[in-house]
Amino acid sequence: NAGVMQNPRHLVRRRGQEARLRCSPMKGHSHVYWYRQLPEEGLKFMVYLQKENIIDESGMPKERFSAEFPKEGPSILRIQQVVRGDSAAYFCASSPRDRDYGYTFGSGTRLTVV
Amino acid sequence: EDQVTQSPEALRLQEGESSSLNCSYTVSGLRGLFWYRQDPGKGPEFLFTLYSAGEEKEKERLKATLTKKESFLHITAPKPEDSATYLCAVQARLYNFNKFYFGSGTKLNVKP
Repeated sequence: NAGVMQNPRHLVRRRGQEARLRCSPMKGHSHVYWYRQLPEEGLKFMVYLQKENIIDESGMPKERFSAEFPKEGPSILRIQQVVRGDSAAYFCASSPRDRDYGYTFGSGTRLTVV
Repeated sequence: EDQVTQSPEALRLQEGESSSLNCSYTVSGLRGLFWYRQDPGKGPEFLFTLYSAGEEKEKERLKATLTKKESFLHITAPKPEDSATYLCAVQARLYNFNKFYFGSGTKLNVKP
């Protein structure tokens, strides 16, 4: 019974490149959430998705960031033209229902922009 | 404005020295309060959910309590392996779906 799987665990990108972060939710979970965590800071909500739908993207920067959760395959958080300020840990969580029972978190992807 | 505040930001304890972490919140339509533990380099790990004032939950040396405005995470006789960042999150109803608000966490360091 695998938990929430995120890959890669570590990602290094040069400024201006694209970063793609993947998240496979727990089996049976159809709700996915992305959070960003800067060093020594709390988790900041980015986006909430269900299969093929974005439900709440109120935490997503307006530019360069996008997310999807296709019918088949993992959820993808995409950051275009990365800048140094994008360096952070990005966590994905999933739940079986609408943000119910708390979340199960993945181990995160640590993005470093050089 | 909906908000979750945790205090203290950091806490150093000697092994065996009991203490409490605080999570105060101002949200409307509270549906639940959650405590997580986060170890360095890892994702948050779920600990407890509390749904109504007066509710208490226990797990080993940890005990979580909830009032109408705050929650406490009591740590009894902590051990070095309890060292971690403890995160509080509040689930509130917004329009037709739920929303989570996380606090910034309390970093606990238990020295042997």
